[in-house]
Amino acid sequence: EAQVTQNPRYLITVTGKKLTVTCSQNMNHEYMSWYRQDPGLGLRQIYYSMNVEVTDKGDVPEGYKVSRKEKRNFPLILESPSPNQTSLYFCASRLAGGHYNEQFFGPGTRLTVL
Amino acid sequence: GESVGLHLPTLSVQEGDNSIINCAYSNSASDYFIWYKQESGKGPQFIIDIRSNMDKRQGQRVTVLLNKTVKHLSLQIAATQPGDSAVYFCAERPGSYQLTFGKGTKLSVIP
Repeated sequence: EAQVTQNPRYLITVTGKKLTVTCSQNMNHEYMSWYRQDPGLGLRQIYYSMNVEVTDKGDVPEGYKVSRKEKRNFPLILESPSPNQTSLYFCASRLAGGHYNEQFFGPGTRLTVL
Repeated sequence: GESVGLHLPTLSVQEGDNSIINCAYSNSASDYFIWYKQESGKGPQFIIDIRSNMDKRQGQRVTVLLNKTVKHLSLQIAATQPGDSAVYFCAERPGSYQLTFGKGTKLSVIP
Protein backbone atom coordinates (compact mmCIF):
# COMPACT_ATOMS: atom_id res chain seq x y z
CA GLU A 1 0.00 0.00 0.00
CA ALA A 2 1.33 3.41 -0.99
CA GLN A 3 1.67 5.47 2.14
CA VAL A 4 3.53 7.97 4.26
CA THR A 5 4.24 6.81 7.79
CA GLN A 6 5.21 8.88 10.80
CA ASN A 7 6.50 7.84 14.20
CA PRO A 8 5.64 8.38 16.91
CA ARG A 9 1.98 9.29 16.53
CA TYR A 10 1.84 10.87 19.96
CA LEU A 11 4.66 12.25 22.07
CA ILE A 12 4.80 14.16 25.33
CA THR A 13 8.20 15.52 26.26
CA VAL A 14 9.84 18.20 28.33
CA THR A 15 11.55 21.42 27.34
CA GLY A 16 15.07 20.93 26.04
CA LYS A 17 15.00 17.18 25.49
CA LYS A 18 16.07 16.46 21.91
CA LEU A 19 13.62 14.46 19.85
CA THR A 20 13.22 13.13 16.33
CA VAL A 21 10.01 12.47 14.45
CA THR A 22 10.53 10.01 11.64
CA CYS A 23 8.82 10.11 8.25
CA SER A 24 9.02 7.45 5.59
CA GLN A 25 7.33 7.04 2.20
CA ASN A 26 7.23 4.04 -0.10
CA MET A 27 6.24 5.80 -3.34
CA ASN A 28 9.73 6.73 -4.53
CA HIS A 29 8.82 10.41 -4.31
CA GLU A 30 11.57 12.95 -4.73
CA TYR A 31 9.84 15.73 -2.80
CA MET A 32 9.09 15.59 0.91
CA SER A 33 7.92 18.25 3.31
CA TRP A 34 7.06 18.90 6.94
CA TYR A 35 4.14 21.01 8.18
CA ARG A 36 2.81 22.00 11.54
CA GLN A 37 -0.87 22.56 12.16
CA ASP A 38 -2.16 24.83 14.90
CA PRO A 39 -5.75 25.87 15.66
CA GLY A 40 -6.75 28.91 13.67
CA LEU A 41 -3.48 28.98 11.72
CA GLY A 42 -3.93 26.18 9.22
CA LEU A 43 -0.88 24.26 8.04
CA ARG A 44 2.47 25.99 7.84
CA GLN A 45 5.46 24.61 6.03
CA ILE A 46 8.55 23.98 8.16
CA TYR A 47 11.09 22.46 5.78
CA TYR A 48 11.03 20.71 2.45
CA SER A 49 13.36 18.56 0.43
CA MET A 50 13.52 18.39 -3.34
CA ASN A 51 15.66 15.24 -3.36
CA VAL A 52 18.36 13.42 -1.42
CA GLU A 53 20.73 15.85 0.32
CA VAL A 54 18.73 18.86 -0.89
CA THR A 55 16.63 20.69 1.70
CA ASP A 56 15.32 24.22 2.18
CA LYS A 57 13.44 26.27 4.73
CA GLY A 58 9.73 26.78 4.63
CA ASP A 59 7.78 29.50 6.41
CA VAL A 60 8.47 28.47 10.02
CA PRO A 61 11.88 26.71 10.22
CA GLU A 62 13.11 28.17 13.52
CA GLY A 63 13.84 25.49 16.10
CA TYR A 64 13.75 22.61 13.63
CA LYS A 65 16.28 20.65 11.62
CA VAL A 66 15.85 18.07 8.89
CA SER A 67 18.00 15.68 6.94
CA ARG A 68 17.50 13.72 3.73
CA LYS A 69 20.12 11.03 3.52
CA GLU A 70 17.86 8.54 1.80
CA LYS A 71 15.05 9.11 -0.65
CA ARG A 72 12.40 7.42 1.44
CA ASN A 73 13.14 9.07 4.82
CA PHE A 74 12.86 12.67 5.99
CA PRO A 75 13.20 12.98 9.77
CA LEU A 76 12.28 16.14 11.66
CA ILE A 77 14.63 16.99 14.52
CA LEU A 78 13.91 19.27 17.45
CA GLU A 79 17.27 19.86 19.13
CA SER A 80 15.84 21.73 22.12
CA PRO A 81 12.05 21.62 22.08
CA SER A 82 10.10 24.46 23.64
CA PRO A 83 6.40 24.70 24.58
CA ASN A 84 5.65 26.82 21.50
CA GLN A 85 6.50 23.77 19.41
CA THR A 86 3.53 21.93 20.82
CA SER A 87 1.58 21.18 17.69
CA LEU A 88 0.27 18.59 15.24
CA TYR A 89 2.95 17.72 12.68
CA PHE A 90 2.44 16.29 9.22
CA CYS A 91 4.91 14.89 6.78
CA ALA A 92 4.03 14.76 3.09
CA SER A 93 5.56 13.59 -0.17
CA ARG A 94 4.92 13.92 -3.88
CA LEU A 95 6.64 13.53 -7.20
CA ALA A 96 8.95 16.36 -8.15
CA GLY A 97 8.29 18.40 -11.26
CA GLY A 98 6.42 21.62 -11.72
CA HIS A 99 3.00 20.23 -12.55
CA TYR A 100 2.72 17.70 -9.74
CA ASN A 101 0.60 18.97 -6.86
CA GLU A 102 -0.86 15.87 -5.28
CA GLN A 103 0.89 15.57 -1.97
CA PHE A 104 0.36 12.48 0.13
CA PHE A 105 0.22 13.21 3.83
CA GLY A 106 1.09 11.04 6.77
CA PRO A 107 -1.33 10.48 9.68
CA GLY A 108 0.22 13.18 11.85
CA THR A 109 2.26 13.34 15.05
CA ARG A 110 0.77 15.09 18.06
CA LEU A 111 3.63 16.64 20.05
CA THR A 112 3.26 18.19 23.47
CA VAL A 113 6.23 19.98 25.02
CA LEU A 114 5.87 20.67 28.73
CA GLY B 1 -9.96 12.46 16.41
CA GLU B 2 -7.66 15.44 16.49
CA SER B 3 -9.14 18.89 16.62
CA VAL B 4 -7.63 20.66 13.65
CA GLY B 5 -9.09 24.08 14.08
CA LEU B 6 -11.00 26.21 16.48
CA HIS B 7 -13.12 29.13 15.36
CA LEU B 8 -13.04 27.98 11.77
CA PRO B 9 -15.61 29.39 9.36
CA THR B 10 -18.33 26.77 9.11
CA LEU B 11 -20.61 25.93 6.23
CA SER B 12 -23.64 23.76 6.91
CA VAL B 13 -25.44 22.25 3.94
CA GLN B 14 -28.26 19.79 3.48
CA GLU B 15 -27.35 16.43 2.03
CA GLY B 16 -27.88 16.53 -1.73
CA ASP B 17 -27.41 20.28 -2.03
CA ASN B 18 -24.41 21.89 -3.66
CA SER B 19 -21.66 23.39 -1.50
CA ILE B 20 -19.47 26.34 -2.30
CA ILE B 21 -16.35 26.94 -0.25
CA ASN B 22 -14.49 30.18 -0.80
CA CYS B 23 -10.89 31.20 -0.32
CA ALA B 24 -8.93 34.40 -0.76
CA TYR B 25 -5.29 34.07 -1.68
CA SER B 26 -2.50 36.58 -1.38
CA ASN B 27 0.27 35.97 -3.87
CA SER B 28 -0.41 37.00 -7.46
CA ALA B 29 2.71 35.12 -8.55
CA SER B 30 1.45 31.70 -7.41
CA ASP B 31 1.38 29.32 -10.34
CA TYR B 32 -0.94 26.69 -8.89
CA PHE B 33 -3.83 26.65 -6.46
CA ILE B 34 -4.85 23.47 -4.71
CA TRP B 35 -7.72 22.24 -2.56
CA TYR B 36 -7.25 19.72 0.24
CA LYS B 37 -9.78 17.92 2.41
CA GLN B 38 -9.01 16.94 5.98
CA GLU B 39 -11.22 14.54 7.86
CA SER B 40 -11.11 14.38 11.61
CA GLY B 41 -7.99 12.58 12.85
CA LYS B 42 -6.40 12.29 9.43
CA GLY B 43 -3.88 14.07 7.28
CA PRO B 44 -5.01 16.34 4.43
CA GLN B 45 -6.04 14.67 1.20
CA PHE B 46 -5.59 16.23 -2.25
CA ILE B 47 -8.83 17.05 -4.06
CA ILE B 48 -8.05 19.11 -7.14
CA ASP B 49 -5.67 21.74 -8.43
CA ILE B 50 -5.83 24.52 -10.98
CA ARG B 51 -3.06 26.27 -12.83
CA SER B 52 -2.97 30.04 -12.70
CA ASN B 53 -3.62 30.39 -16.45
CA MET B 54 -7.00 28.66 -16.10
CA ASP B 55 -10.23 29.95 -14.58
CA LYS B 56 -12.13 26.69 -14.16
CA ARG B 57 -11.35 23.04 -13.72
CA GLN B 58 -13.72 20.15 -13.09
CA GLY B 59 -13.21 16.87 -11.34
CA GLN B 60 -15.53 14.19 -10.09
CA ARG B 61 -18.36 16.11 -8.35
CA VAL B 62 -16.02 19.06 -7.73
CA THR B 63 -15.30 22.24 -9.64
CA VAL B 64 -12.66 24.81 -8.82
CA LEU B 65 -13.03 28.39 -10.00
CA LEU B 66 -10.20 30.89 -10.05
CA ASN B 67 -10.71 34.64 -10.25
CA LYS B 68 -7.30 36.28 -10.46
CA THR B 69 -8.74 39.78 -10.65
CA VAL B 70 -9.93 39.60 -7.06
CA LYS B 71 -7.56 36.82 -5.90
CA HIS B 72 -10.41 34.47 -5.15
CA LEU B 73 -10.67 30.72 -5.35
CA SER B 74 -13.75 28.57 -4.82
CA LEU B 75 -14.51 24.89 -4.55
CA GLN B 76 -17.93 23.69 -5.58
CA ILE B 77 -19.10 20.26 -4.47
CA ALA B 78 -22.12 18.89 -6.27
CA ALA B 79 -24.74 16.78 -4.50
CA THR B 80 -22.99 17.01 -1.13
CA GLN B 81 -22.84 13.75 0.80
CA PRO B 82 -22.24 13.02 4.51
CA GLY B 83 -18.77 11.76 3.59
CA ASP B 84 -17.92 15.27 2.41
CA SER B 85 -18.02 16.55 6.00
CA ALA B 86 -14.49 17.73 6.71
CA VAL B 87 -12.27 20.79 6.89
CA TYR B 88 -11.32 22.13 3.48
CA PHE B 89 -8.11 24.04 2.86
CA CYS B 90 -7.08 26.02 -0.14
CA ALA B 91 -3.36 26.33 -0.81
CA GLU B 92 -1.27 28.38 -3.16
CA ARG B 93 2.07 27.50 -4.64
CA PRO B 94 4.26 30.59 -4.84
CA GLY B 95 7.24 28.54 -6.00
CA SER B 96 7.85 25.01 -7.22
CA TYR B 97 8.45 23.70 -3.73
CA GLN B 98 6.69 26.03 -1.30
CA LEU B 99 3.07 25.66 -0.35
CA THR B 100 1.02 28.17 1.63
CA PHE B 101 -2.26 27.00 3.13
CA GLY B 102 -5.32 29.00 4.02
CA LYS B 103 -6.92 28.74 7.45
CA GLY B 104 -9.62 26.27 6.41
CA THR B 105 -13.40 26.00 6.27
CA LYS B 106 -15.39 23.36 8.09
CA LEU B 107 -18.12 21.75 6.01
CA SER B 108 -20.94 20.04 7.92
CA VAL B 109 -23.45 18.01 5.95
CA ILE B 110 -26.91 17.69 7.48
CA PRO B 111 -28.48 14.30 6.68
